[in-house]
Amino acid sequence: GQQVMQIPQYQHVQEGEDFTTYCNSSTTLSNIQWYKQRPGGHPVFLIQLVKSGEVKKQKRLTFQFGEAKKNSSLHITATQTTDVGTYFCAGKHGSSNTGKLIFGQGTTLQVKP
Amino acid sequence: DTGVSQDPRHKITKRGQNVTFRCDPISEHNRLYWYRQTLGQGPEFLTYFQNEAQLEKSRLLSNRFSAERPKGSFSTLEIQRTEQGDSAMYLCASSLPFSTNEKLFFGSGTQLSVL
Repeated sequence: GQQVMQIPQYQHVQEGEDFTTYCNSSTTLSNIQWYKQRPGGHPVFLIQLVKSGEVKKQKRLTFQFGEAKKNSSLHITATQTTDVGTYFCAGKHGSSNTGKLIFGQGTTLQVKP
Repeated sequence: DTGVSQDPRHKITKRGQNVTFRCDPISEHNRLYWYRQTLGQGPEFLTYFQNEAQLEKSRLLSNRFSAERPKGSFSTLEIQRTEQGDSAMYLCASSLPFSTNEKLFFGSGTQLSVL
């Protein structure tokens, strides 16, 4: 079925280190979104990528969409304790008109001060 | 508050009972989604509506689950004959479709515990 796989499941880093999470789909995605969920909170939208090979930056966060539109990554430079949380990718398979967004399992980031 | 509102925040029920949750989306959003999330997992798609029409429903969703959005505004999710495996956070989200940034706005969820 339609799945989005995300690795790693957990990542512990020292404050100031970099962090990357990867997202893969077996089928082509029409677009991919990234969300952040703080402990005890709900997912909050970060960004959407639509074009093949697209790269977007938000301050210390860099998002990439693969050339084949089957994978994506989120890279955080110089992590801070405020980056703690679970990062989810979420992809749309097939037609961009569908509302169905499939979430990955998430990568939980812990940052040691 | 103009965000997505869900009620109740917590629900404890006994196995076999029926439960109903309500979601009020952001007023101008015509897409409404229901997701289920268990600890350590990503949100699992259940169903979504565009206005009052239920456009897609997960094949994983048993016939004990039903969702409605009768007037294209608020939505209800009912679970009949609850089972312990139904214990989870039920998240509602809304969005504007066909925009350049079709982001989902999530509510705080309803935490269901089935004893």
